[in-house]
Amino acid sequence: DVKVTQSSRYLVKRTGEKVFLECVQDMDHENMFWYRQDPGLGLRLIYFSYDVKMKEKGDIPEGYSVSREKKERFSLILESASTNQTSMYLCASSLWDFEPTDTQYFGPGTRLTVL
Amino acid sequence: KNEVEQSPQNLTAQEGEFITINCSYSVGISALHWLQQHPGGGIVSLFMLSSGKKKHGRLIATINIQEKHSSLHITASHPRDSAVYICAVRSRRFGGGADGLTFGKGTHLIIQP
Repeated sequence: DVKVTQSSRYLVKRTGEKVFLECVQDMDHENMFWYRQDPGLGLRLIYFSYDVKMKEKGDIPEGYSVSREKKERFSLILESASTNQTSMYLCASSLWDFEPTDTQYFGPGTRLTVL
Repeated sequence: KNEVEQSPQNLTAQEGEFITINCSYSVGISALHWLQQHPGGGIVSLFMLSSGKKKHGRLIATINIQEKHSSLHITASHPRDSAVYICAVRSRRFGGGADGLTFGKGTHLIIQP
C-alpha cells in the first residue's frame, strides 16, 4: 500500500513565523504535490515536483516555497506566515506519468491555523 | 486553465436511493479523477478514466469526452457513502511530465438512514 504521511495533523502558528510542512512517501514516486483546500474553493495546487531538486509553480505559489532534497520528501515552506494562509494543506504523490491516467495518492492533511 | 464545475453542491438522500453527481470541464483533458473525502480530511482516489465507463462495487463512473462531462453514480446508497465527492481533471499537455490536477469544489453527499 502506498503511504503518504504528513508531519502534523494540526498546527497553530503566529503571524510572521516561518512554517515547515513535511511530506514523506514510501513508494519511490517521482512526482509530489502540495495543495491547499479551502471551503468554497476546493483544492488548489501550490507547487509540484517531478524529481529531486526540481520544482514547478502551481496555481497559487505566492507566499510559499518548496524543497525536495530527497526523492521521498517534499517540504512546503511558509517564509512568513499570514492569517490568509490558514487552511488545510494536502500532500500527494504519483508515479512518473508517461501514461495519462496516473493516480495521485494523498496524505491525511495538515490543518494550519495562523493567528 | 481548465474550469471544473460540479453539481449539485449539496445532496441529501435516503438510504437505497440512486445517486448521480455531475462534473463538467471546459478544456480537453487527458484524464479525469473521482475522489472521495471523508470527514477528517483523508482523500481516496475512486476512479481515473479517460473514456467510457468504469465500475467498482456500487460505484459507476462515466465520461463523455465530446460533451466534456462525467458522472459518478452510486447505486443502493448507504449512510457510509456520506462524504464529499470531488471531480478533478488533468489537462491534456504536450509531451510528458508531472502536472497537478484541477479540482471541482466538491459535492457534499449525506445519505440518511
